[in-house]
Amino acid sequence: DAKTTQPPSMDCAEGRAANLPCNHSTISGNEYVYWYRQIHSQGPQYIIHGLKNNETNEMASLIITEDRKSSTLILPHATLRDTAVYYCIVRAPGSQGNLIFGKGTKLSVKP
Amino acid sequence: EPEVTQTPSHQVTQMGQEVILRCVPISNHLYFYWYRQILGQKVEFLVSFYNNEISEKSEIFDDQFSVERPDGSNFTLKIRSTKLEDSAMYFCASRMTGTSEAFFGQGTRLTVV
Repeated sequence: DAKTTQPPSMDCAEGRAANLPCNHSTISGNEYVYWYRQIHSQGPQYIIHGLKNNETNEMASLIITEDRKSSTLILPHATLRDTAVYYCIVRAPGSQGNLIFGKGTKLSVKP
Repeated sequence: EPEVTQTPSHQVTQMGQEVILRCVPISNHLYFYWYRQILGQKVEFLVSFYNNEISEKSEIFDDQFSVERPDGSNFTLKIRSTKLEDSAMYFCASRMTGTSEAFFGQGTRLTVV
């Protein structure tokens, strides 16, 4: 089973920031937090990952709490094309382990 | 930008027939995966492959399934005798040693009739 908990759905107005929460209270010290998204039935798309520091790239920002038990993915200016299912996944780096997908959060960006 | 390529995009087959789904991972990646997604359900792990052998497989990956890397560039998933319940999107993914993110292909939609 997935080791994360996410709300099943969220709405966001176009142009506003989308903040997607994730709880991972059982995360181990060496496990990273990864975010992927799936637009319609396309292949999952990597967004960002982090260990304990906040991370930012061209797609999003990742805020991880100090105790690492939860995190928030931020899409700073959501567009209609950001409508997708967003998955928060924890995994140790460098392992051969696979990604375990939960049900994710269905983000609907509305005009 | 390098990408994982899957062919065909859609395959229809009759129950009991063999199918081979093909993937070309990103060229310098060493870890390869197959996942599937039944319509409306979660993405499920099938198998991981490293150093020319299976490194991990799920309960779904039974004797009807096999994987192969025949020529150093392609990575295939074979289903020997398809069942109706094998109908799903099948995604290939690859990952480079030392980095963490996996890159997924756009999938093959398999329809068993």
